[in-house]
Amino acid sequence: GAVVSQHPSWVICKSGTSVKIECRSLDFQATTMFWYRQFPKQSLMLMATSNEGSKATYEQGVEKDKFLINHASLTLSTLTVTSAHPEDSSFYICSAGLAGRNTGELFFGEGSRLTVL
Amino acid sequence: QKEVEQDPGPLSVPEGAIVSLNCTYSNSAFQYFMWYRQYSRKGPELLMYTYSSGNKEDGRFTAQVDKSSKYISLFIRDSQPSDSATYLCAMSAPGNNRLAFGKGNQVVVIP
Repeated sequence: GAVVSQHPSWVICKSGTSVKIECRSLDFQATTMFWYRQFPKQSLMLMATSNEGSKATYEQGVEKDKFLINHASLTLSTLTVTSAHPEDSSFYICSAGLAGRNTGELFFGEGSRLTVL
Repeated sequence: QKEVEQDPGPLSVPEGAIVSLNCTYSNSAFQYFMWYRQYSRKGPELLMYTYSSGNKEDGRFTAQVDKSSKYISLFIRDSQPSDSATYLCAMSAPGNNRLAFGKGNQVVVIP
């Protein structure tokens, strides 16, 4: 099946630094990838839709200058948490679907746990 | 009213029991219905995928969709301790991959 890889799986950083998380579709191309945030025992909250070759679309309430998304190729999207603060500590997950298929069938990465000290 | 309602209460069952999970939704445009399984500290794994109304069976898992009632279900037969996880329902409308998720049910299968 389709595999989505996220890196790093966990990261600890100091307050004020920036952290980049990568999301790769390993065996398929994805024109669109999605970034979610998940708090403990909560469901996934969609943060933004990453579009290959164009600007990301952010959900209401998500700061685009804080959560920078770049989708430079059909297999890679990155999320950069800029000037991270302890409240940004969370589980970040990406997903991708097969290019050209908008049928809701998404494949998720393993997630990246961010802890900001 | 939220788009997708899933009673988030935890569920504990003895090994071998049938697990029954369900979600309701309000958006009649939803055509694609998914169940994801998420183990602790891992990303969700697509478990069942159904298009429109009907039943789908895969091994011990059965997914049902009743669009007239806006109600979907997941049944796990002969539950195993390895089935202990959080189960999330999700759905989407044609033309995009924006998923609407339920809150998830934490299932514990007791040996």
